[in-house]
Amino acid sequence: NAGVTQTPKFQVLKTGQSMTLQCAQDMNHEYMSWYRQDPGMGLRLIHYSVGAGITDQGEVPNGYNVSRSTTEDFPLRLLSAAPSQTSVYFCASSSTVSGNTIYFGEGSWLTVV
Amino acid sequence: TQLLEQSPQFLSIQEGENLTVYCNSSSVFSSLQWYRQEPGEGPVLLVTVVTGGEVKKLKRLTFQFGDARKDSSLHITAAQPGDTGLYLCAAQGANDYKLSFGAGTTVTVRA
Repeated sequence: NAGVTQTPKFQVLKTGQSMTLQCAQDMNHEYMSWYRQDPGMGLRLIHYSVGAGITDQGEVPNGYNVSRSTTEDFPLRLLSAAPSQTSVYFCASSSTVSGNTIYFGEGSWLTVV
Repeated sequence: TQLLEQSPQFLSIQEGENLTVYCNSSSVFSSLQWYRQEPGEGPVLLVTVVTGGEVKKLKRLTFQFGDARKDSSLHITAAQPGDTGLYLCAAQGANDYKLSFGAGTTVTVRA
């Protein structure tokens, strides 16, 4: 039961570098999303997708890009990393078939120095 | 600005005591969810409440959705150290996959 798989688990970047956080789900869920979690602020939605080929912005999209070429994969790209993007990132998926229950990955810890 | 306000932010109690966590909003939601998150893990869904006034029980956990569907509470009876974690409420609008999260309540149950 893989569920939602995120990689890498930990990453340190220098300011200005770019990188991609990978997310894959094997539950055939149509909806996928990326959140960031910061102390005292809960989880904030970065980008989401309601199906392959469709993406939209969430609450805090600046500095991030996403794409959804397949149902299974939803990578998050940091274009030019900034210290303000130091955070824990969670990928999530859900489906109307699953009663809209949202399943989260285990998180990716990103530090930008 | 948080759409959902959780209180308290931190809660530390002795094993066997009861606790209540609150989640409030000025908006009406179609459903509200409670999650529990342990260090190094993603949030895990505990319950979803959809009907105003609804009460759901999950062993020692009791969840209530306010009549006006603007607020909710989580009550834990006879807390155990295994209940330690971050409790998050999240709300979903009608016909909307998106979830808005509260900032969370960190619960510590001391043995």
